[in-house]
Amino acid sequence: NAGVTQTPKFQVLKTGQSMTLQCAQDMNHNSMYWYRQDPGMGLRLIYYSASEGTTDKGEVPNGYNVSRLNKREFSLRLESAAPSQTSVYFCASSEALGTSGGNEQFFGPGTRLTVL
Amino acid sequence: AQSVAQPEDQVNVAEGNPLTVKCTYSVSGNPYLFWYVQYPNRGLQFLLKYITGDNLVKGSYGFEAEFNKSQTSFHLKKPSALVSDSALYFCAVRDILYGNNRLAFGKGNQVVVIP
Repeated sequence: NAGVTQTPKFQVLKTGQSMTLQCAQDMNHNSMYWYRQDPGMGLRLIYYSASEGTTDKGEVPNGYNVSRLNKREFSLRLESAAPSQTSVYFCASSEALGTSGGNEQFFGPGTRLTVL
Repeated sequence: AQSVAQPEDQVNVAEGNPLTVKCTYSVSGNPYLFWYVQYPNRGLQFLLKYITGDNLVKGSYGFEAEFNKSQTSFHLKKPSALVSDSALYFCAVRDILYGNNRLAFGKGNQVVVIP
């Protein structure tokens, strides 16, 4: 099993450009998440999808959109990139709520994004 | 709202000495608590979790954590630190009152194990 995979690993954008970060998991998890990691700020939730067909905003959703394409895939789109979106982006997945109580999340390797 | 505090930015410890990384939490209901580790240029890896039951939880790589409800703490411990334990450690909490699996993460603690 590959676990959670993310593409690309690195990306440099100019202000105003758009791009989509891809995430896929092969663990048959229902829930998927997108986080950003910035120095000294820990991980902040951008969007999450509790199950296929549903998405909800997290702490910092402005400037982002998501698509839960199917059970395996959850993409994050930046429509018009800004320098403030320079960050490391992590995708994660977990079992659905209720299957075993507190369900740990499994993380991908991250995408390092720089917006100039 | 659920939240986590990791009061120290960096923890320095000599190899072979005990390692403690502190975490306190705030929730409205009962907490689910997690520790993750992040090595350079990698994603987060799950170490251990507290759901219910024994207050002392054992996890991967010889780590353990103690849940203390009265002090709202969940400190991570290892009896004898290794140089390879040098990494960034995150505490996270989920409040079971909320009908989702969202976690609130702390800012992280950089652990440096000195040979």
